Amino acid sequence: QKEVEQNSGPLSVPEGAIASLNCTYSDRGSQSFFWYRQYSGKSPELIMSIYSNGDKEDGRFTAQLNKASQYVSLLIRDSQPSDSATYLCAVKGGGGFKTIFGAGTRLFVKA
Amino acid sequence: DGGITQSPKYLFRKEGQNVTLSCEQNLNHDAMYWYRQDPGQGLRLIYYSQIVNDFQKGDIAEGYSVSREKKESFPLTVTSAQKNPTAFYLCASSANRKDEKLFFGSGTQLSVL
Repeated sequence: QKEVEQNSGPLSVPEGAIASLNCTYSDRGSQSFFWYRQYSGKSPELIMSIYSNGDKEDGRFTAQLNKASQYVSLLIRDSQPSDSATYLCAVKGGGGFKTIFGAGTRLFVKA
Repeated sequence: DGGITQSPKYLFRKEGQNVTLSCEQNLNHDAMYWYRQDPGQGLRLIYYSQIVNDFQKGDIAEGYSVSREKKESFPLTVTSAQKNPTAFYLCASSANRKDEKLFFGSGTQLSVL
């Protein structure tokens, strides 16, 4: 079982729609959860972090965490073509120094 | 502007050759990391360093070596023992061992001739 799993996609949504990206993780001791966006040929950039159960909103982005289900999601409202990228889910365990990345979900937003 | 600089952007390695990827940061971050990314795969940790003159192996350290002689610099050497070195290499840093947010350099694409 992979430590952090994501659907590789591609996920295709029309412009203005809500894009929903999902991630599951295996380590129940994980404490910190991140979403990074990576454009093709570029390096990842952090867009959201979440540490406790529930929702965290930042502009058009909402991260959701459910530790009991070991599930993290990212919602992108009013999706724009510029949101087209690969979204990497990353998880860090309690007390550890390693951040474990999922393989990423490719998102296409159609104009 | 503060940031992480990786060089070169593209690098080609010949059979049996060692090559070194450069990573420099001016963010005054304590922790630095090297990740490898293969197409369609997530980032895999090669080495990390929390302080100067100290570093630890990550999940795929075989065939790689690092040094951390200065806080700002964390070069990665891909040795001839690494039989499948073609990948996108990313250097990252974080403020300290507990700060979990990673800042990435622009990456180096390494290919084998």
